[in-house]
Amino acid sequence: AQKITQTQPGMFVQEKEAVTLDCTYDTSDQSYGLFWYKQPSSGEMIFLIYQGSYDEQNATEGRYSLNFQKARKSANLVISASQLGDSAMYFCAMREFPNQAGTALIFGKGTTLSVSS
Amino acid sequence: NAGVTQTPKFQVLKTGQSMTLQCAQDMNHNSMYWYRQDPGMGLRLIYYSASEGTTDKGEVPNGYNVSRLNKREFSLRLESAAPSQTSVYFCASTTGGLAGSYNEQFFGPGTRLTVL
Repeated sequence: AQKITQTQPGMFVQEKEAVTLDCTYDTSDQSYGLFWYKQPSSGEMIFLIYQGSYDEQNATEGRYSLNFQKARKSANLVISASQLGDSAMYFCAMREFPNQAGTALIFGKGTTLSVSS
Repeated sequence: NAGVTQTPKFQVLKTGQSMTLQCAQDMNHNSMYWYRQDPGMGLRLIYYSASEGTTDKGEVPNGYNVSRLNKREFSLRLESAAPSQTSVYFCASTTGGLAGSYNEQFFGPGTRLTVL
């Protein structure tokens, strides 16, 4: 069964608009972490934002915020005021606990975001 | 501070050839990882090393071997390359540590491998 599900293969948005990228996850652990990464066409993986399962407030980093709904097991990424440079692939990922010190991530299949002027 | 470095950036192999992908990190991280990225599949874990001297299989280990040479270096070897191993390979590292702590994974730039 998929642990991380990103149901939107592609999303399109105009500059300055907000966009939400969906992510649902599946785990039986009570303690886990959720991550979002951006992969531009150049190929590097860029960390955007992190949410811990015990964090009471939604994480925010500049124009990025994570809409965390624990009961629904969703961790959607919200990008406010989209910019052309936001055009990229976006991956949701999860780290389950317990781990033997390793912290491997489980990735979703990604969502391609295209921002137009 | 170079972060995570990978060599080579690009490689073309013929079926049956062998090669080693090199990865090094200068952040004094305990844990290192190898992922592969295929179109429409996201990143999948091949092998990881929780700490120096240990290695473990991930989701897709078949056809690969790894060596944690020291704390800095973690190599991935293809003994007999197959077309199914055409992919982009990412090395990553993290401080490791206790479950429950925040550990961002830092990724290398990737190696684009084609097996003909």
